[in-house]
Amino acid sequence: SQTIHQWPATLVQPVGSPLSLECTVEGTSNPNLYWYRQAAGRGLQLLFYSIGIGQISSEVPQNLSASRPQDRQFILSSKKLLLSDSGFYLCAYRAGGSTDTQYFGPGTRLTVL
Amino acid sequence: KQEVTQIPAALSVPEGENLVLNCSFTDSAIYNLQWFRQDPGKGLTSLLLIQSSQREQTSGRLNASLDKSSGRSTLYIAASQPGDSATYLCAVRPAGNQFYFGTGTSLTVIP
Repeated sequence: SQTIHQWPATLVQPVGSPLSLECTVEGTSNPNLYWYRQAAGRGLQLLFYSIGIGQISSEVPQNLSASRPQDRQFILSSKKLLLSDSGFYLCAYRAGGSTDTQYFGPGTRLTVL
Repeated sequence: KQEVTQIPAALSVPEGENLVLNCSFTDSAIYNLQWFRQDPGKGLTSLLLIQSSQREQTSGRLNASLDKSSGRSTLYIAASQPGDSATYLCAVRPAGNQFYFGTGTSLTVIP
């Protein structure tokens, strides 16, 4: 079966500190991977998506970056966090082919103080 | 750019009532539409996916319909239960790899 993991579950970081959030997928190969941010009272904002190793598309210019070092690993990073980076970060994948459903991880709650 | 709207933003109903959640999108050139459920502080759980060639999909007490030409989808929940309380989101996928989400409808089912 397919599973998606995210960690950490919660994170409190000071302004200006670095960030690394990790997402891994099990049970599928060559998935499309996505990073979303959900701010309080707002919808999901697509941050990055990847169709393969090393292939990253950025949707929103900001101080975040993403990398895909392995087929089923997706990392969200920042060198210096801003207060506005606080939110709920969700990783998702789409297996593609005949299965077009998007599946989400449990999320990471990030608070920047 | 595709815009997805969900009305109402919040809905409160007594247990046992049938209800309809609405989703509208501005560009009818979509590949599919997906309905999700999100519990507080959790990730999204897929409920139903409708391909652009389909009119509806059913799963248990849930029925989702799609009218692509008018840019509308509805999620019908029959015989609502307190466990149905959650936020429901719809998302559309045009040709390509991106999904566009609505802001959701927060549903409360009162016992």
